[in-house]
Amino acid sequence: AQRVTQPEKLLSVFKGAPVELKCNYSYSGSPELFWYVQYSRQRLQLLLRHISRESIKGFTADLNKGETSFHLKKPFAQEEDSAMYYCALSGGSNYKLTFGKGTLLTVNP
Amino acid sequence: SAVISQKPSRDICQRGTSLTIQCQVDSQVTMMFWYRQQPGQSLTLIATANQGSEATYESGFVIDKFPISRPNLTFSTLTVSNMSPEDSSIYLCSVFYTDTQYFGPGTRLTVL
Repeated sequence: AQRVTQPEKLLSVFKGAPVELKCNYSYSGSPELFWYVQYSRQRLQLLLRHISRESIKGFTADLNKGETSFHLKKPFAQEEDSAMYYCALSGGSNYKLTFGKGTLLTVNP
Repeated sequence: SAVISQKPSRDICQRGTSLTIQCQVDSQVTMMFWYRQQPGQSLTLIATANQGSEATYESGFVIDKFPISRPNLTFSTLTVSNMSPEDSSIYLCSVFYTDTQYFGPGTRLTVL
C-alpha cells in the first residue's frame, strides 16, 4: 500500500524566513512524487515534481529514497506563498495519486 | 494545459436523494479521475474513468453508490446516490494530460 504523510497540519513563518514543508512516503516500488498547491479560492495545481528537478516560484524538493522523504523548501518565504500544500505520490504507470493531508502555510508580514 | 469545469459548483441536498456532477474538459483526454475531499481530510481517489470502458473503483467505493459515466473524451459524470450526511464533501474531477494531472474547481456537496 502507498501512503503519504505530512506531519504538519499548520505552518506559520515570517516573510523572508526559510520554510520547509515535510513529506514522507511509503511505497514498495519507484514512486513519482509531486507537490500540489491550492491558493485561496483557486483550484489545486501542480507546483513541482521530483522528476523535473526544477525550481518553481523559488521552491525546490529533493527526493531522498533513503529517508523516503520529499520535503519542499524555499529559502525566503513570501506572503503570496500562503496556501495549502499537498504532497502526492504516483506509483507505476497508473497515474493515480495518493495525497497527504496537506499543510496550510501562512507567511506573515 | 487542460481546463476543467464542473457543474454544479455547490449544492445542498436532502438525505436519500441523488446528485449528478458533471465534468467537462477543453481537451480530449483518455484518463479522468474522480476524487473526494471530506472535511479536514485529504483527497481520496474514488474511481478512474476511461472512455470506452467501465470505471475502475478504489477500495471502499462501489458503483451502486457512485455510478460514473464517460460517454466521450471530454466529459464525465459522477452520481452520488442515496446520499447521507457522511457524503458531504468536495468532489473533484481530474484529468491526466500531457504528462500532468489537472484538477477541476470542485463541487461542494452538503447533505442535510
